Amino acid sequence: GAVVSQHPSRVICKSGTSVKIECRSLDFQATTMFWYRQFPKQSLMLMATSNEGSKATYEQGVEKDKFLINHASLTLSTLTVTSAHPEDSSFYICSARDQQGALNIQYFGAGTRLSVL
Amino acid sequence: AQTVTQSQPEMSVQEAETVTLSCTYDTSESDYYLFWYKQPPSRQMILVIRQEAYKQQNATENRFSVNFQKAAKSFSLKISDSQLGDAAMYFCAYKRGQGNLIFGKGTKLSVKP
Repeated sequence: GAVVSQHPSRVICKSGTSVKIECRSLDFQATTMFWYRQFPKQSLMLMATSNEGSKATYEQGVEKDKFLINHASLTLSTLTVTSAHPEDSSFYICSARDQQGALNIQYFGAGTRLSVL
Repeated sequence: AQTVTQSQPEMSVQEAETVTLSCTYDTSESDYYLFWYKQPPSRQMILVIRQEAYKQQNATENRFSVNFQKAAKSFSLKISDSQLGDAAMYFCAYKRGQGNLIFGKGTKLSVKP
């Protein structure tokens, strides 16, 4: 199957700093990428949908100024957690949709565990 | 709004046995897709199997098969000859057209040796 690379896999930062997470589709073009947040023992919660060349669409309750998304190319989307605080500590997962595939399948990155001290 | 319900928070199966995970969904659409994703302890989401709603034939992928009942809006996953590596969280998901995936809350599957 298609590969989505997410980096870094783990980040520990001090409160108030910003953290950037990268999501790359390695062998396909992804017009659309998705960013999820997953709390322990819970399901994935969609944060935003990222479209190449346009502004991201955020889900209700997600602060767009807090979670900056950039999707500058067909293979790269970034999520920046600005002025991170301990409550932002979580597992973040990106997903890229293979537009060329017959079923428009979403492939997932391995996730990023963010710990804010 | 579409919803996906997994009524079994946890399930357990003996190695080499068969287990069925339940999933129901609610939608007014007639054309959509259904998926089962596996999330092992590594947290990497892995696509297990997919089903197009317009297909009556149940999808199969090796030891994994589904029982898709469109009228009942049911989409269960059957794992045959369970292996230790099958232990994971399993998420049922619904998607309509270009829309995003809607996930259930997941079922934690344990495999006993």
